[in-house]
Amino acid sequence: GAVVSQHPSWVICKSGTSVKIECRSLDFQATTMFWYRQFPKQSLMLMATSNEGSKATYEQGVEKDKFLINHASLTLSTLTVTSAHPEDSSFYICSASQEPTGELFFGEGSRLTVL
Amino acid sequence: SQQGEEDPQALSIQEGENATMNCSYKTSINNLQWYRQNSGRGLVHLILIRSNEREKHSGRLRVTLDTSKKSSSLLITASRAADTASYFCATERGAQKLVFGQGTRLTINP
Repeated sequence: GAVVSQHPSWVICKSGTSVKIECRSLDFQATTMFWYRQFPKQSLMLMATSNEGSKATYEQGVEKDKFLINHASLTLSTLTVTSAHPEDSSFYICSASQEPTGELFFGEGSRLTVL
Repeated sequence: SQQGEEDPQALSIQEGENATMNCSYKTSINNLQWYRQNSGRGLVHLILIRSNEREKHSGRLRVTLDTSKKSSSLLITASRAADTASYFCATERGAQKLVFGQGTRLTINP
């Protein structure tokens, strides 16, 4: 099956710094990718829809200036957590929509810990 | 907001037993999907059932859908230790945006 890779798998950073997480579709093109956030022992919450070549669409309550999304190519979307704070610590998971079927494939997730 | 609710939140059974998890949702759907998540990992797609289907099988998995009750169940037969994971149902809120249930944490005891 199709593979979606996230990098890094885990990252620890100091409060106030910015962290970039990459989501790559390794063997297919994805015009659309999705970013989810998951707190411990909780469900996944959709944060934003990443569209190649255009601005991301953010869900209600998600700060677009806090969570910068860039989808510059058909195989790569990045999520940058700017000026990270401890409350941003979470598990971030991306999914990619395979063209033309629209089947979704999930990355392995990236665990962010902000000290 | 999450529209799906799952029960039980946690389930612990002995290896070899069957595990049943339930999911309820609030809005009309085109399909419902079930995913598995091993601890600290990404999601693995298990099965998709369309709104005009009532039951679907895949290996040891059996999914039912009752659109009149807005509920679905996932049955795992002859459970194995490797089935230990969290299981989530998900519905689409338009354009592939998935809304996940709260999940069931399944533990299979050897």
